[in-house]
Amino acid sequence: SQTIHQWPATLVQPVGSPLSLECTVEGTSNPNLYWYRQAAGRGLQLLFYSVGIGQISSEVPQNLSASRPQDRQFILSSKKLLLSDSGFYLCAWSRGRPEAFFGQGTRLTVV
Amino acid sequence: AQKVTQAQTEISVVEKEDVTLDCVYETRDTTYYLFWYKQPPSGELVFLIRRNSFDEQNEISGRYSWNFQKSTSSFNFTITASQVVDSAVYFCALSVFYAGGTSYGKLTFGQGTILTVHP
Repeated sequence: SQTIHQWPATLVQPVGSPLSLECTVEGTSNPNLYWYRQAAGRGLQLLFYSVGIGQISSEVPQNLSASRPQDRQFILSSKKLLLSDSGFYLCAWSRGRPEAFFGQGTRLTVV
Repeated sequence: AQKVTQAQTEISVVEKEDVTLDCVYETRDTTYYLFWYKQPPSGELVFLIRRNSFDEQNEISGRYSWNFQKSTSSFNFTITASQVVDSAVYFCALSVFYAGGTSYGKLTFGQGTILTVHP
């Protein structure tokens, strides 16, 4: 069966510091990968998606970037965090079906 | 562009009551998919169901049932005989179909409905 791992679970970072969140999927190959963000009290918004290694599409302009160095690894990064980057970040995957399957999420607080 | 509206921000019920969560969607595409996800306090989104736009059959799974009506662009979710474990945030979502399945996993979410079931 497929599993998705995302870490860290919780992160508190100062404004202006860098960010790296990592996500890996097991049990499948060549998945579509996604980063979603959930702001407090709101729905989820798609930030990035990737259909293959090195292929990244951005859905919204922002302070973040994504990379896919390996088939089942997806990384969300920032060079300098802003207060507005705080939120709950969820990695997800899909393969051959419309639904996405989500990781446990990372709660990021920028202080 | 697609839009999903969950007008109910919060619902509070007592255990064993039936509860319906509303979802209204907007899309100009003729082929699309609708989803419900559950987000318990732990935060992970749990996939519950997907319906295809060409299949308006309602579905029942245990205490859960879903009513899809294209005429009103609605995809409502009913929990029968609610339980405390049903307490969570429930999200309705939509995605459209692009050839080759390149849109799979690209979901537009509603704002979510917080359901609290009291003992």
